[in-house]
Amino acid sequence: EAGVTQFPSHSVIEKGQTVTLRCDPISGHDNLYWYRRVMGKEIKFLLHFVKESKQDESGMPNNRFLAERTGGTYSTLKVQPAELEDSGVYFCASSRFPGQIETQYFGPGTRLLVL
Amino acid sequence: AQSVTQPDIHITVSEGASLELRCNYSYGATPYLFWYVQSPGQGLQLLLKYFSGDTLVQGIKGFEAEFKRSQSSFNLRKPSVHWSDAAEYFCAVGAGEYGNKLVFGAGTILRVKS
Repeated sequence: EAGVTQFPSHSVIEKGQTVTLRCDPISGHDNLYWYRRVMGKEIKFLLHFVKESKQDESGMPNNRFLAERTGGTYSTLKVQPAELEDSGVYFCASSRFPGQIETQYFGPGTRLLVL
Repeated sequence: AQSVTQPDIHITVSEGASLELRCNYSYGATPYLFWYVQSPGQGLQLLLKYFSGDTLVQGIKGFEAEFKRSQSSFNLRKPSVHWSDAAEYFCAVGAGEYGNKLVFGAGTILRVKS
């Protein structure tokens, strides 16, 4: 079984540009989560999809961030326009069943650097 | 609000020595608790979890953790550390309606001396 994959592994962009991160969850997993770790800080929850619906987006920092999960499969997280403080590691995780506590399986992360 | 404290940012132990990583949480009800490890270039891998039942939890790679409600702690232990255990370790508590919104501690970086 393939694990959670994320693309790209690294991205370096200039302030004001747009970046789109992609996450492919484990096949059959209805739950998909995005987290972020800003340098020197804790890993913070951003949002949670159940299939294609946003279940909880309370951690999204502002409206420059847009997450989608078309068809309930892969998800994208777009940052537009990027700011310096958006630099960090963006993790995606997935789990199988909605509505219950389960292990979340994490991807390797995307390292974003905004210059 | 739920929170997790990992008091040690860095820990260095000798190979073969025992290890204890500390984790304290703040949560009103019975918590869902997790320990994850991140090796360089890798994603977070689950070491162990506590949902209910036996307060001593066994995990992968020879790790164990003990849930102590009276101390709001969930410390991670290993009797004999191997060089391959060098990594960053994260304690987390499950928050939100179903406990699946993870709240992480700041992480502890483990260095192993040969």
